[in-house]
Amino acid sequence: SQKIEQNSEALNIQEGKTATLTCNYTNYSPAYLQWYRQDPGRGPVFLLLIRENEKEKRKERLKVTFDTTLKQSLFHITASQPADSATYLCALRMDSSYKLIFGSGTRLLVRP
Amino acid sequence: DGGITQSPKYLFRKEGQNVTLSCEQNLNHDAMYWYRQDPGQGLRLIYYSQIVNDFQKGDIAEGYSVSREKKESFPLTVTSAQKNPTAFYLCASSLRQDSGANVLTFGAGSRLTVL
Repeated sequence: SQKIEQNSEALNIQEGKTATLTCNYTNYSPAYLQWYRQDPGRGPVFLLLIRENEKEKRKERLKVTFDTTLKQSLFHITASQPADSATYLCALRMDSSYKLIFGSGTRLLVRP
Repeated sequence: DGGITQSPKYLFRKEGQNVTLSCEQNLNHDAMYWYRQDPGQGLRLIYYSQIVNDFQKGDIAEGYSVSREKKESFPLTVTSAQKNPTAFYLCASSLRQDSGANVLTFGAGSRLTVL
């Protein structure tokens, strides 16, 4: 069966450290992979997009990698801040479909 | 500012009642979507619309209905046939479904509680 998995346990790190979140998928061949941030009681906000033929994408303190062999994307936040505390969702889009398939998200807590 | 407005933010419904959630966008996006979010689960697609006067069922359409009479508006009705309607409902839009990565812009959400 097709699955997209994110760690359901919260990631708790110290301010200034690098946070690394994982998105694994099975039985999909996504053309695009996206990362969104969601704050409690709010809608998700788009952060970064990476295409299947790209290995890495950066935006300020954010970095996304995409390994289609491992079927995994890693999302990194360097020099993390308490304001980075939120839930981070990954989403896949296949080339053959309009649909975005979302993971359940990983909650990040950055301690001051 | 361009964006998506959902209302109401909080809504309480009695058993057997229909309720309608509003979604309006001023982004000039063609495609609009309704998702449902439950604790510990990914967003699940209820309905989507690519153009005015056309919409399709998503993965969990039973017990819901929509309309798309205007490009800017995509209201969702939660009917009494929806067995477990208590959830957080998210409306989203995208420029066009069939172009590129289909990045979504979301509204702030509506939380529905059945009493």
